[in-house]
Amino acid sequence: EPEVTQTPSHQVTQMGQEVILRCVPISNHLYFYWYRQILGQKVEFLVSFYNNEISEKSEIFDDRFSVERPDGSNFTLKIRSTKLEDSAMYFCASSEDGTNTDTQYFGPGTRLTVL
Amino acid sequence: AQSVTQPDIHITVSEGASLELRCNYSYGATPYLFWYVQSPGQGLQLLLKYFSGDTLVQGIKGFEAEFKRSQSSFNLRKPSVHWSDAAEYFCAVGRPGGYNKLIFGAGTRLAVHP
Repeated sequence: EPEVTQTPSHQVTQMGQEVILRCVPISNHLYFYWYRQILGQKVEFLVSFYNNEISEKSEIFDDRFSVERPDGSNFTLKIRSTKLEDSAMYFCASSEDGTNTDTQYFGPGTRLTVL
Repeated sequence: AQSVTQPDIHITVSEGASLELRCNYSYGATPYLFWYVQSPGQGLQLLLKYFSGDTLVQGIKGFEAEFKRSQSSFNLRKPSVHWSDAAEYFCAVGRPGGYNKLIFGAGTRLAVHP
């Protein structure tokens, strides 16, 4: 069964550094998402992406965050000038057509630790 | 504002016992409702979803959920729990329309005693 993959599984960085989290969505999917889960808290929506543009973003997704689909398979989340509060599990998801009844398929997550 | 509440943070059941995980939502219209499960080291896997029609929804792994509009609830059930069901379960609500953003509850961690 096709699945969403994410690398790395765990990323440790120093505060102020830049990180790039990588995701490979399911190949025929057109809509891509990032969510995050701070330890002990809810899974929160960050951003959705379609046709090489951001469709929607949350208030968490400030100007330090960016997303990109650099090629036909990868979908990345970049965080510049990382802060301690960016430490979280980051989930990538993809869906086929983004319609009301569509299903989002999630990757296993990348645990980001900012020291 | 849309929100999802899962009142139970941790639940422990014995293997073979029945299970019900609670989920309440706040939404202005009929929402799209989902249950996901996360096993250790795994991503969020969809168990079932409700969009319209029959309010009792069947999912994978023997799970079912019932949408009750009057109670704003979408509780997940399983008649007989297996040790492999130990995981964290998330209820989520989706907003009708494209680019469906999911709003998650805090999750319920299920432990299964042999």
